[in-house]
Amino acid sequence: QKEVEQDPGPLSVPEGAIVSLNCTYSNSAFQYFMWYRQYSRKGPELLMYTYSSGNKEDGRFTAQVDKSSKYISLFIRDSQPSDSATYLCAMRGALYSGAGSYQLTFGKGTKLSVIP
Amino acid sequence: NAGVTQTPKFQVLKTGQSMTLQCAQDMNHEYMSWYRQDPGMGLRLIHYSVGAGITDQGEVPNGYNVSRSTTEDFPLRLLSAAPSQTSVYFCASSRGRAPSGTNEKLFFGSGTQLSVL
Repeated sequence: QKEVEQDPGPLSVPEGAIVSLNCTYSNSAFQYFMWYRQYSRKGPELLMYTYSSGNKEDGRFTAQVDKSSKYISLFIRDSQPSDSATYLCAMRGALYSGAGSYQLTFGKGTKLSVIP
Repeated sequence: NAGVTQTPKFQVLKTGQSMTLQCAQDMNHEYMSWYRQDPGMGLRLIHYSVGAGITDQGEVPNGYNVSRSTTEDFPLRLLSAAPSQTSVYFCASSRGRAPSGTNEKLFFGSGTQLSVL
């Protein structure tokens, strides 16, 4: 079992829809949770960041972390065609918490298309 | 700022050839890393460095070497290219000793598309 599981999609939604993207993980040491957005033929860019459990909102985007369930989510409200991209979750543990604590572990990414 | 600069953007190699992918950053970042991205596999870490003179292996290090003689540069060497190394390669850097959120976010280069025939 990979440490981070993410449904690769593809996911196609109409403009204005609410999008829900999710990742599950198995390593209970993970404390830092991120969502990256990657447009075609570009490098990923950080979209949202959450430390430990809880919610974080930034405009149309909301990130949620449920450490008890080892489950993280990204919600996109009022989705736009410009949101069409691949969304990757990423996470890591605290420094010195064990092997891999300096590394981000990425999900495989979910490809999202928002249809006008 | 140029950010993270990768060269070349495209490269075709024959099996057994060696080459170096270049990566440079001008943000004085301590942390630098190399990823490969393959369809259905996501981003996988090859090697990383937490400062000049310090490197370590990631998830898929076999067939690759790195060195970090300066803060700015982190080249990736393919010793003897194999078709399995056909991929898109990304270099990324961040402040601090490990990437995380806003102040230590990972900045990616634009990628190198490598094909090994």
